[in-house]
Amino acid sequence: DAGVIQSPRHEVTEMGQEVTLRCKPISGHNSLFWYRQTMMRGLELLIYFNNNVPIDDSGMPEDRFSAKMPNASFSTLKIQPSEPRDSAVYFCASSLNEGEGGYTFGSGTRLTVV
Amino acid sequence: GNSVTQMEGPVTLSEEAFLTINCTYTATGYPSLFWYVQYPGEGLQLLLKATKADDKGSNKGFEATYRKETTSFHLEKGSVQVSDSAVYFCALRNSGNTPLVFGKGTRLSVIA
Repeated sequence: DAGVIQSPRHEVTEMGQEVTLRCKPISGHNSLFWYRQTMMRGLELLIYFNNNVPIDDSGMPEDRFSAKMPNASFSTLKIQPSEPRDSAVYFCASSLNEGEGGYTFGSGTRLTVV
Repeated sequence: GNSVTQMEGPVTLSEEAFLTINCTYTATGYPSLFWYVQYPGEGLQLLLKATKADDKGSNKGFEATYRKETTSFHLEKGSVQVSDSAVYFCALRNSGNTPLVFGKGTRLSVIA
């Protein structure tokens, strides 16, 4: 398996533009997680899905953020409109449902909003 | 609620020194415990895990023992290398479909 695949690896955009981050989880994993990592706040859970259904989006900072999982092999995180304070590294991770298992993380998308 | 507390960094060690990174947790039930490592410019990778009390997880010379009596899962390595320089995260996960709860991470720098 190629692991969790995120695209793009780097994104530079202007304030106000729409940004879409993409994630392909590991085949057979039923849970998918979106995290944001910054120096100030560390690793923050934004939202997670079980069996393609959003379970908890309480970590999504504002209505400008939205996430979808239309099928078991694809998820998107969208920011519209983007702001400079959204600059961070965004990670996607997937896991089996069972509680004993760990996560497999993607390599992340480094977002810079100027 | 569930939470993880790990020692603040950064930790700077000379090559071949002994490493301990402390981690304690608060949890309802009987969680599984994990250590993740993040190398510069990469995502987090699972380093080791333990799923029940007194289990020892080990990988790449790193070890951690699940201590229920002290609610701890300290990470140790007998002789660190420059290549071990990274950020280390302690985490727990309760049973069911609950997400991992991460500590804030500890940055380790190993100098030659």
